[in-house]
Amino acid sequence: QLQLQESGPGLVKPSDTLSLTCTVSGGSVSSGDYYWGWIRQPPGKGLEWIGNIYYSGNTYYNPSLKSRVTISVDTSQNLFSLKVDSVIAADTAVYYCARSYVGAPDGFDIWGQGTRVTVSS
Amino acid sequence: DIQLTQSPSFLSASVGDRVTITCRASQGISSYLAWYQQKPGKAPKLLIHAAFTLQSGVPSRFSGSGSGTEFTLTISSLQPEDFATYYCQELNSYVWTFGQGTKVDSK
Repeated sequence: QLQLQESGPGLVKPSDTLSLTCTVSGGSVSSGDYYWGWIRQPPGKGLEWIGNIYYSGNTYYNPSLKSRVTISVDTSQNLFSLKVDSVIAADTAVYYCARSYVGAPDGFDIWGQGTRVTVSS
Repeated sequence: DIQLTQSPSFLSASVGDRVTITCRASQGISSYLAWYQQKPGKAPKLLIHAAFTLQSGVPSRFSGSGSGTEFTLTISSLQPEDFATYYCQELNSYVWTFGQGTKVDSK
């Protein structure tokens, strides 16, 4: 059974870069069948799609975040990563990584447990 | 960008009730729509994909319908474990969007 696990600092200072990693176990990030995505949820609010990456490195981003976000994949370590530059308080959220089938986009069927990130000095 | 509007935003219901949530897209998205259930402190759970296909393991009291711009999620007989927040998500292109959510609580 494939599992995803987010990791990274829980506290980031304003204007710094937020960096998170999603480690894939029980499966391979190199599978051509899936997108690997990041989603976030500010406290008390709804879900916001951040972006997806394919194993080849093709990326797709939320236009509202595109200028500050980078998603990358490391097939040798079986993980994918998220960087958000120049963070502000509004970037405070629970960040989830998730998997979606490529063939006919079917939604995110497997999710990590989420990691809480607070932006504060 | 495609916008998704869910209605209602809040819904009070009792066990055994039939519950319907609507998701409207700002432009046609064929059947590229998914529904999720989220409980407090937990990751969302995929319920339905491709507008009406039940994800494996999801109870048959959940159903989805619609295509184009209007979609519905129906719970035929609400169970105690169904009190949660529900989100729709469009997957029509390479840029995806979630609806704002519908919270279902106990009347």
